Amino acid sequence: EAAVTQSPRNKVAVTGGKVTLSCNQTNNHNNMYWYRQDTGHGLRLIHYSYGAGSTEKGDIPDGYKASRPSQENFSLILELATPSQTSVYFCASGDAAGGEGTGQLYFGEGSKLTVL
Amino acid sequence: AQKVTQTQTSISVMEKTTVTMDCVYETQDSSYFLFWYKQTASGEIVFLIRQDSYKKENATVGHYSLNFQKPKSSIGLIITATQIEDSAVYFCAMRDDMGYKLTFGTGTSLLVDP
Repeated sequence: EAAVTQSPRNKVAVTGGKVTLSCNQTNNHNNMYWYRQDTGHGLRLIHYSYGAGSTEKGDIPDGYKASRPSQENFSLILELATPSQTSVYFCASGDAAGGEGTGQLYFGEGSKLTVL
Repeated sequence: AQKVTQTQTSISVMEKTTVTMDCVYETQDSSYFLFWYKQTASGEIVFLIRQDSYKKENATVGHYSLNFQKPKSSIGLIITATQIEDSAVYFCAMRDDMGYKLTFGTGTSLLVDP
């Protein structure tokens, strides 16, 4: 069974502080993603990666950085957290949609971040 | 840019009936992939079903099926014989031809009443 684990699951941060959300996958997938979920907006893509050492901007990258040091790990970094970044963050991994790939994404359990 | 729109914010149905959830999409790609995901009350997000744009046959998995209308850029999810445990939020999503970026709609909340 594919597995994606996120840490921390809950985080309270202060405005201006640095926050790092970590994600680990044991699926050996090339692609990894960070989404945030807010009421009325669904899931919005922040950053994604198609392999170790690569990061790409998603639809709402402002205020976020990402790091993919290895195939298994993908981090989301908030250098200067703001209250508007209070949200639930989901990490996901997946393979390509074409060829032999299913295109299916496997999601982590989510990380609830509150910025005061 | 890709865009996925789900206009139904919530639907309520009686158990054992059939429900259809709507989704329309916008893309410049000639080849693309469409997905439906389910988010349970616990927050877990799971993949349900997929439709490849070049396939004319509607995908079916268990009691989930799709109504793919390419000329209308529409991909509806049909759940037959609904069960209480089908109560969840359902997201429509699109993936571009390169296979990297997945864009989601805003979701439809389904409540199945006994």
